[in-house]
Amino acid sequence: RKEVEQDPGPFNVPEGATVAFNCTYSNSASQSFFWYRQDCRKEPKLLMSVYSSGNEDGRFTAQLNRASQYISLLIRDSKLSDSATYLCVVTGNTPLVFGKGTRLSVIA
Amino acid sequence: GAGVSQSPRYKVAKRGQDVALRCDPISGHVSLFWYQQALGQGPEFLTYFQNEAQLDKSGLPSDRFFAERPEGSVSTLKIQRTQQEDSAVYLCASSLNPRQGRGYTFGSGTRLTVV
Repeated sequence: RKEVEQDPGPFNVPEGATVAFNCTYSNSASQSFFWYRQDCRKEPKLLMSVYSSGNEDGRFTAQLNRASQYISLLIRDSKLSDSATYLCVVTGNTPLVFGKGTRLSVIA
Repeated sequence: GAGVSQSPRYKVAKRGQDVALRCDPISGHVSLFWYQQALGQGPEFLTYFQNEAQLDKSGLPSDRFFAERPEGSVSTLKIQRTQQEDSAVYLCASSLNPRQGRGYTFGSGTRLTVV
């Protein structure tokens, strides 16, 4: 079983839609959680950290459920520029562990 | 420099050839990481340095893979006797503190194709 599991998608949504991605992790000792964004043929870049209390950054909301070992990302009012692969990332006493990524295509 | 620099950007190698991939981290970043990203997959951890010390090499897939960072700055990932399954993007990242996931900066990667 992979340490971080994500639905690979693709998610094809129209502009303006709300879309949610989910991720589960297996290592209960994981301490920090992130969503990274990766554009085609580019390097991963940090999108946002994820906290148990939930955090919001503009149209993006991230949530962590430690009991269920579950992480989510909600994107509201999708833009064409949101099209990318979204990587769920966890870490503890080890370097970053990445999920396979979920591909999002926002269509005009 | 301002970012993590990797070279070459692209490398085509014949099966059995040795290759060397270079990573120049952000100045002052003590931690350096190598990841391998196959097509359609997330990055997979290969190895980690703190300064010149290689603290974790558990992700190196075989003894054909070797990494070094002799002066605690530039790092080289070497792959001997390349195989087709080595075809992937090799990403390097550096960080001031490996426990702070916010602080990782990735280079653009080296895309290796073994033919």
